[in-house]
Amino acid sequence: AQKVTQAQTEISVVEKEDVTLDCVYETRDTTYYLFWYKQPPSGELVFLIRRNSFDEQNEISGRYSWNFQKSTSSFNFTITASQVVDSAVYFCALSGGPPRTGANNLFFGTGTRLTVIP
Amino acid sequence: GAGVSQSPRYKVAKRGQDVALRCDPISGHVSLFWYQQALGQGPEFLTYFQNEAQLDKSGLPSDRFFAERPEGSVSTLKIQRTQQEDSAVYLCASSSRLAGNINEQFFGPGTRLTVL
Repeated sequence: AQKVTQAQTEISVVEKEDVTLDCVYETRDTTYYLFWYKQPPSGELVFLIRRNSFDEQNEISGRYSWNFQKSTSSFNFTITASQVVDSAVYFCALSGGPPRTGANNLFFGTGTRLTVIP
Repeated sequence: GAGVSQSPRYKVAKRGQDVALRCDPISGHVSLFWYQQALGQGPEFLTYFQNEAQLDKSGLPSDRFFAERPEGSVSTLKIQRTQQEDSAVYLCASSSRLAGNINEQFFGPGTRLTVL
């Protein structure tokens, strides 16, 4: 069974601080994909990144960076020099679904609410 | 529009009423998903369509929930005889899934259902 754990329920940081959001996953699949989504107060989920299980290279996109480590089943997300606009709920997700259907629906963690204080 | 749209954005129903929630996916997207998001939780999978075929409905919580996508584009999620525990945000997502690859899902703004 697929499972995603985001142990941090809420985090508050002061603007310009760095912050890391943790994500630990469980799966028996050898091929899988991991995602991060942002959900601002408006409610719409915004795609941030997708990584497949064969690519452990860390990725940086502007102030965002992701650290994927299969050995610890973790896919952590770091925001550098946080800004007020980063305030949102962040979800980590894992692809899954019966291979025969090709569904690949997402299994989400419970989310981490990030508040950036000006 | 270019994104996934959902209507209505808000729906209040009395317990026992039937409701219908609509999703317009991104044009040309083959895959369509419905998720249910309870307050303070992550979205949970309900059902999946590939074009007009409903290939996975394992997440539907009861037989009161029914989804369709008759022409492979617009989808409707119907909930019969609504109960208070059905109160949640219902999210629709679409994906241009390519063979052998997993693409990101694009989400709509959701429909917030409140059952009184």
